[in-house]
Amino acid sequence: GAVVSQHPSRVICKSGTSVKIECRSLDFQATTMFWYRQFPKQSLMLMATSNEGSKATYEQGVEKDKFLINHASLTLSTLTVTSAHPEDSSFYICSVPLGGQTNPGNQPQHFGDGTRLSIL
Amino acid sequence: AQKVTQAQTEISVVEKEDVTLDCVYETRDTTYYLFWYKQPPSGELVFLIRRNSFDEQNEISGRYSWNFQKSTSSFNFTITASQVVDSAVYFCALNGPGGNKLVFGAGTILRVKS
Repeated sequence: GAVVSQHPSRVICKSGTSVKIECRSLDFQATTMFWYRQFPKQSLMLMATSNEGSKATYEQGVEKDKFLINHASLTLSTLTVTSAHPEDSSFYICSVPLGGQTNPGNQPQHFGDGTRLSIL
Repeated sequence: AQKVTQAQTEISVVEKEDVTLDCVYETRDTTYYLFWYKQPPSGELVFLIRRNSFDEQNEISGRYSWNFQKSTSSFNFTITASQVVDSAVYFCALNGPGGNKLVFGAGTILRVKS
């Protein structure tokens, strides 16, 4: 069964709307989760590392105020795209590293099913 | 800086053919991990394999096999007797600085025709 649940799977909304995407770890606690963005026919680009109980770590070029990340519990991280515009339309995917939270990038990651965001 | 190159943008094969997906990586780290993921048309990513830099043994899992060659910084993936269900985008990835994140290649689209 699914290890990571991501919701919603698809969002279509008007420009200026804020959209919240949830990523849940179903079977275990995760102090670290990752958020990726994937443009059509392109690779995954890491946006940020979500850290439970502390601020997220954003990759260079990712606007912190635009993409708000909250990791308030050991099983839930949320990504909020604030005041979304058409250029924010993309496929957003979260992942949870398995096998321990030390050096999470070394661990196989289980990915959510992704959220396809379309801003009109 | 870490970098993963998948030079093959798209490969088309006929069912039952063998196919090899290439992956070349760059890193200055002496300890690192390499991964392969599959992304079917539905979008979710499926973990296939992890290999650490100290283990150069090739691995076989059913129809899948992986060839890790440190000397050429390559981690190639072969599907034997391909099937239509193998059609997907395949990503090679390398763990980044500090081991805290993955760096993905551009992906290779594999189309298996019946």
